[in-house]
Parts: sequence; C-alpha cells; structure tokens
Amino acid sequence: AQSVAQPEDQVNVAEGNPLTVKCTYSVSGNPYLFWYVQYPNRGLQFLLKYITGDNLVKGSYGFEAEFNKSQTSFHLKKPSALVSDSALYFCAVRDPGYSSASKIIFGSGTRLSIRP
Amino acid sequence: DAGVIQSPRHEVTEMGQEVTLRCKPISGHDYLFWYRQTMMRGLELLIYFNNNVPIDDSGMPEDRFSAKMPNASFSTLKIQPSEPRDSAVYFCASSFATSGTDTQYFGPGTRLTVL
Repeated sequence: AQSVAQPEDQVNVAEGNPLTVKCTYSVSGNPYLFWYVQYPNRGLQFLLKYITGDNLVKGSYGFEAEFNKSQTSFHLKKPSALVSDSALYFCAVRDPGYSSASKIIFGSGTRLSIRP
Repeated sequence: DAGVIQSPRHEVTEMGQEVTLRCKPISGHDYLFWYRQTMMRGLELLIYFNNNVPIDDSGMPEDRFSAKMPNASFSTLKIQPSEPRDSAVYFCASSFATSGTDTQYFGPGTRLTVL
C-alpha cells in the first residue's frame, strides 16, 4: 500500500526566513513524489516532482524538495519566504511498483502562512 | 494549451435537484480524475478514467453520484438527487501517463452549494 503524511496542519514563517513543509511517505518500492500548491479559490498547481536521480529537486517559484530515502521524507523548502507563498501545500506519492494505474495519493495539506 | 476546463465555476441548487459538472481535459491526456474538496475531509479522489474507461470508482460516496466519459475530450460528474452534504469544490484533473511521470494537472474547480 502507499500513503503520505503531512504532520503539520499549519506552518508560520516570517518573510525572508527559510521555510520547510514536511512530508513523509510509505511505499513498497521506489516512489514518485510530488508537491502541489493551492492558492485561494484556485485548483492545485504542480510545483515539482521526484522520479529518480538527484535527491534535490528544484521547482517553480524558487521551491525545492529533498528526497531522503532512509527517512522516507520529501520535505519542501525555500531559502527565503515571500508573503505571496502563503497557500495550501499538498504532498503526493505514487508507488509505480504497486499499481500500473496513474492514481496518486495526496496528503492532507499544510497551510503555509508568511507574515510580513 | 488552455489547461483543464471545468464548468460551471459555481453552482447553487436546491436539495433534490440534479447537478451536472463538466470537464474538458488537456488534449492528449489519457487519464482523467474527479476529486472533491471539503474542509472536513480534505481532497478526496472520487473516480478516475483511463482512455475513457472507468478504472476505480471506489471513492464515489453513494449511488447518487455517477460519472461518464463519452470521449477523450469530455467528462461529466452527475449528482442525482443532490443533498446539502454534497456541497464542496469539485476538481477535475488529467494526466499523460505514457510519459511515465503521472503529473496531474488540475482544473479551476466547480464550487457546488446545495441548499
């Protein structure tokens, strides 16, 4: 089975400070991992993904995520937060060895709030 | 590309009425997904299609919900009869699985309010 957990419902960061949004996963094989962002009254937007290769993945809007196989984590990071980064962030996982279908599992979401 | 298109963007209806939500996936994508988002339950996968064929409908809450994909460029999600607890934002997403990465692209959603 495959699952994903986002342990924090909300993360508060001051503008200009680094931010981290946590994600852990559970799969039986090698995972595909994703981060999506949702701004108010909008659909989810793809930020970045890890399929294979370099453990540090760079994505849109200056975000990056680090795949850590030993800790089964895929935390989202940004060196300097902007107020405009305030949104709801979703981590998602797919275990290609578990299913041939394209179904991915989304976490519960973490609300990121950046204060000026 | 215009992205995933959903209509209507907002729907307000009365309990007992039939509601039909529409989705046009990105051209060339072979998977289509319907999700529901509420504050209480978060993002839930309702059903998904591959090449217009339903693959997994285990997330459909009740028989009142049905989904169809008559062709590669159109899908509907129908609720009949609607109930107040169906109030939510419904998202459609599509992906091109043959690319091997399964990135899903979401539409803007339909906000459904059942009075």
